[in-house]
Amino acid sequence: GQNIDQPTEMTATEGAIVQINCTYQTSGFNGLFWYQQHAGEAPTFLSYNVLDGLEEKGRFSSFLSRSKGYSYLLLKELQMKDSASYLCAVFNDSWGKLQFGAGTQVVVTP
Amino acid sequence: DSGVTQTPKHLITATGQRVTLRCSPRSGDLSVYWYQQSLDQGLQFLIQYYNGEERAKGNILERFSAQQFPDLHSELNLSSLELGDSALYFCASSPEVTGSTDTQYFGPGTRLTVL
Repeated sequence: GQNIDQPTEMTATEGAIVQINCTYQTSGFNGLFWYQQHAGEAPTFLSYNVLDGLEEKGRFSSFLSRSKGYSYLLLKELQMKDSASYLCAVFNDSWGKLQFGAGTQVVVTP
Repeated sequence: DSGVTQTPKHLITATGQRVTLRCSPRSGDLSVYWYQQSLDQGLQFLIQYYNGEERAKGNILERFSAQQFPDLHSELNLSSLELGDSALYFCASSPEVTGSTDTQYFGPGTRLTVL
């Protein structure tokens, strides 16, 4: 099986930076995804990492360390619309499926 | 808009009943995935179909079943419904079977309420 841990909630101010950590334990690791989900809406794809290092996409960046079973999602220049749940998901070849963490609720305050 | 469509958007029914949720994948996508999301459980993988065949199974109850049709749309059937089945049901699609580069795109979901 696999365990995926991420903080339940984080609060940050508009314009600030927030880093959401995700740790996982799995065999057959084959990629880590980050999704954004606003309440009651569909998860939307943000980023994908399969090799170690940083992937940058505009205000969002995602980092992966496979040896440490660790990833983070960095949100810069926070905007009110970034208030949402951020889901870390690990793809496991052995299981043939994407396993999601419980999500981190980010609250952006004025 | 991800290109994945789901109907209905909302469904209210009674315990013991049976419902069918429908999903149309993005154009060209062969894989369809079903997920259940309830408040206390997070997003749980139920089942995957690829080009009409079942490919992977998650925590899907025996009361639930799914299929994918030749036109690639999929249906999730939930029977003998219980209060605890109330949840958001998402469908996602991707181009291929599995693979780390295969991003899944989610539909808007069906909110099921069992009374």
